[in-house]
Amino acid sequence: GENVEQHPSTLSVQEGDSAVIKCTYSDSASNYFPWYKQELGKRPQLIIDIRSNVGEKKDQRIAVTLNKTAKHFSLHITETQPEDSAVYFCAASKELGNSGNTPLVFGKGTRLSVIA
Amino acid sequence: KAGVTQTPRYLIKTRGQQVTLSCSPISGHRSVSWYQQTPGQGLQFLFEYFSETQRNKGNFPGRFSGRQFSNSRSEMNVSTLELGDSALYLCASSRTGAPVGYTFGSGTRLTVV
Repeated sequence: GENVEQHPSTLSVQEGDSAVIKCTYSDSASNYFPWYKQELGKRPQLIIDIRSNVGEKKDQRIAVTLNKTAKHFSLHITETQPEDSAVYFCAASKELGNSGNTPLVFGKGTRLSVIA
Repeated sequence: KAGVTQTPRYLIKTRGQQVTLSCSPISGHRSVSWYQQTPGQGLQFLFEYFSETQRNKGNFPGRFSGRQFSNSRSEMNVSTLELGDSALYLCASSRTGAPVGYTFGSGTRLTVV
């Protein structure tokens, strides 16, 4: 089955700097890659996702890149702010259209600390 | 619109007991998935229900079971609780069952003593 590796497990950056979190996946048939942000004591929330027919997607200060050949995808946060401090999870899944889908397989998370 | 509601928020049980957790999805969502979150293993998939049928199942022992009702509300049950079952149990709902559009609930924190 699918296996998702996520690095680093912890990341500290100065406010205003960029943060990059990387994930690799094992199943080349996976085609949907979301990122979730989980603040302390709160539920995971989707912040951005990408499908395998796209190489990059941006939403304001957040971007995700996907390299299908290397089977890795990355989250980029620019101009980090203290409120970006949280645990970030990557995940992978196969969308099979009308045939259903495979469950999300998550990486183990990255604890991002933005130091003011 | 109301989000995904999980009850109870916190639960303390003794080893050997059983427990039932509840998840009410967003109105109109027919799929409910359950995940176990622990510091060491991260988020691990338990099972998914769609229109009252279990559609996917993760690699958990048979002590973990679930069901879904006609109103899409779902319950999961853990029998013969073990200390290692202490975790945050999250459910997520979506309209079609595809993970696109997953919305997570706030979870039930289960502590087994």
